[in-house]
Amino acid sequence: GAGVSQSPSNKVTEKGKDVELRCDPISGHTALYWYRQRLGQGLEFLIYFQGNSAPDKSGLPSDRFSAERTGESVSTLTIQRTQQEDSAVYLCASSPLNRPQHFGDGTRLSIL
Amino acid sequence: ELKVEQNPLFLSMQEGKNYTIYCNYSTTSDRLYWYRQDPGKSLESLFVLLSNGAVKQEGRLMASLDTKARLSTLHITAAVHDLSATYFCAVDIRETSGSRLTFGEGTQLTVNP
Repeated sequence: GAGVSQSPSNKVTEKGKDVELRCDPISGHTALYWYRQRLGQGLEFLIYFQGNSAPDKSGLPSDRFSAERTGESVSTLTIQRTQQEDSAVYLCASSPLNRPQHFGDGTRLSIL
Repeated sequence: ELKVEQNPLFLSMQEGKNYTIYCNYSTTSDRLYWYRQDPGKSLESLFVLLSNGAVKQEGRLMASLDTKARLSTLHITAAVHDLSATYFCAVDIRETSGSRLTFGEGTQLTVNP
């Protein structure tokens, strides 16, 4: 498809489990972003990848959160030892350098 | 730390009426975005405002930017039900390593028949 693709669209897991969320950016977009959106709130920046530069991890809320990206393709966001406060929609966006971001439909994560 | 504040957070209006949503931000920015989000959906880009005095219009929505006042407005003209959604402004902080968006809390707009 032409847009940003995220999977899974929904994930329900037990507290303490690890989860991995995937993002396929738009082809050719060098920049990739992860955001978190809690219910009824705005988006919180988590992490930003740009080409081969070191990622900007300044928004990651704790060391349980990590993300990787291979070149200018797929990215995975991993949350270890999930907690109930991690429940949110995780949105991925991609863009060409310094251009508007295009958002995926998100992964709705629910921690029981 | 950059703060982006929107008001109102909740807006209920009648069809045919006009209203303005405000977005204030606390530091110099290169550009400002407005997004629309329908329930359970992702964000749809509405406007990108790049310079002081910029004004953009699309249908019943018009956005403007005053960089000196650090204020952007989203004006709704003759609202219709289809405009019901949550509207976010986002400020782009251009840093040496790239850019990141800081979002306002969103304005949940309900247009009643």
